[in-house]
Amino acid sequence: EVQLVESGGTLVQPGRSLRLSCAVSGFTFDDYAMHWVRQVPGKGLEWVSGIDWNSGGLGFADSVKGRFTISRDNAKNSLYLQMNSLRTEDTALYYCAKSRARFWTGYYPTEPFDYWGQGTLVTVSS
Amino acid sequence: SYVLTQPPSVSVAPGKTARITCGGNNIGSKSVQWYRQKPGQAPVLVIDYASDRPSGIPERISGSNSGNTATLTISRVEAGDEADYYCQVWESSSYHPYVFGSGTKVTVL
Repeated sequence: EVQLVESGGTLVQPGRSLRLSCAVSGFTFDDYAMHWVRQVPGKGLEWVSGIDWNSGGLGFADSVKGRFTISRDNAKNSLYLQMNSLRTEDTALYYCAKSRARFWTGYYPTEPFDYWGQGTLVTVSS
Repeated sequence: SYVLTQPPSVSVAPGKTARITCGGNNIGSKSVQWYRQKPGQAPVLVIDYASDRPSGIPERISGSNSGNTATLTISRVEAGDEADYYCQVWESSSYHPYVFGSGTKVTVL
């Protein structure tokens, strides 16, 4: 059974840093790209970042570029999101999601995000 | 920036057909994914490559894509279909290259 379990979400002050983790099981982690997607409670989905199977390529939404970093440890079956200079607008539920592709980019035919974790809540507030 | 437009809500009686549209410039040339999200749960992939069903998704759920509109169709609607549905595409030039629609709330009457 595929499982993705996020952790690390908490209440944090604006300007501070936070690191999210996603532990996966049930599939060969180092065969697939991985992504972070966030959702403000009651609102829609927003793609945040993606990483290639071997960390060779990284992608970020413009809204987090320069502040967030994505990484993975294939030996530990884990995905990470380092969030720096947090803003109130970063408040959201953060999901990790598995891609069917090896690369984070979605050139045609775009591979879907076929498994998602349950999310971890990040609240940025003073 | 590329925008996907979905109706905020669709209401449908049990046993009837719900159609959810996703409008985007030349979306017919793109791979469209559809996700279902029930309250308090993570999104679940229900349609990939515009019209394929992942394992475990019933045949009542289907997708099509042409021109400027992709459509998710749910036939013989059941109470358990009540959820938010999101379309998604890749658009490399966009602010967020993985673009999600704003979501459609399906209410079963």
